[in-house]
Amino acid sequence: AQSVTQLGSHVSVSEGALVLLRCNYSSSVPPYLFWYVQYPNQGLQLLLKYTTGATLVKGINGFEAEFKKSETSFHLTKPSAHMSDAAEYFCAVSGSNAGKSTFGDGTTLTVKP
Amino acid sequence: KAGVTQTPRYLIKTRGQQVTLSCSPISGHRSVSWYQQTPGQGLQFLFEYFSETQRNKGNFPGRFSGRQFSNSRSEMNVSTLELGDSALYLCASSRGSGPDTQYFGPGTRLTVL
Repeated sequence: AQSVTQLGSHVSVSEGALVLLRCNYSSSVPPYLFWYVQYPNQGLQLLLKYTTGATLVKGINGFEAEFKKSETSFHLTKPSAHMSDAAEYFCAVSGSNAGKSTFGDGTTLTVKP
Repeated sequence: KAGVTQTPRYLIKTRGQQVTLSCSPISGHRSVSWYQQTPGQGLQFLFEYFSETQRNKGNFPGRFSGRQFSNSRSEMNVSTLELGDSALYLCASSRGSGPDTQYFGPGTRLTVL
């Protein structure tokens, strides 16, 4: 069984500030981990994913995440927030097949000018 | 290449009716997954089809069913609609192997009155 916990349903940052969105997971098998972004009235878009190998993963739009097995965490960061980053972000975990992913409840990111 | 398309984009039904939603995956993708997104329950996995066979199934009642055709297009059907079935239904396609990236469609927003 797998589960994902996203800490903080709403995060607000100022433009240019660090973005940190937290994700902790539980998995009985080696996990694949994903971060997605969803803009209003749209589907989900993959930001980045961890499969195996390097634990620091770089994604699109300047986002990155670090897989920490000992902490069962996969937090998403971006050094400098842009207004266009305002959206809802989802962390997800899967086992051997990403087609069956378990999602967290999402974190809404607000960027203040 | 063309993305994942879902039809219709919006649908209004009344309790007790049934509904069929369609998903056309990216060309060459053999896996189609369906998810239900609601404000209260978040994103929940419904089922995954791969090469016309249901490969994984979530914890939804039998009123929710699906199928996949030889061209990988997929449909999901919900019978005897309930008010709680109102949701955004998302489909995602991938090649279907391991951590392959899932590409999401824009979703079908179903409202049950």
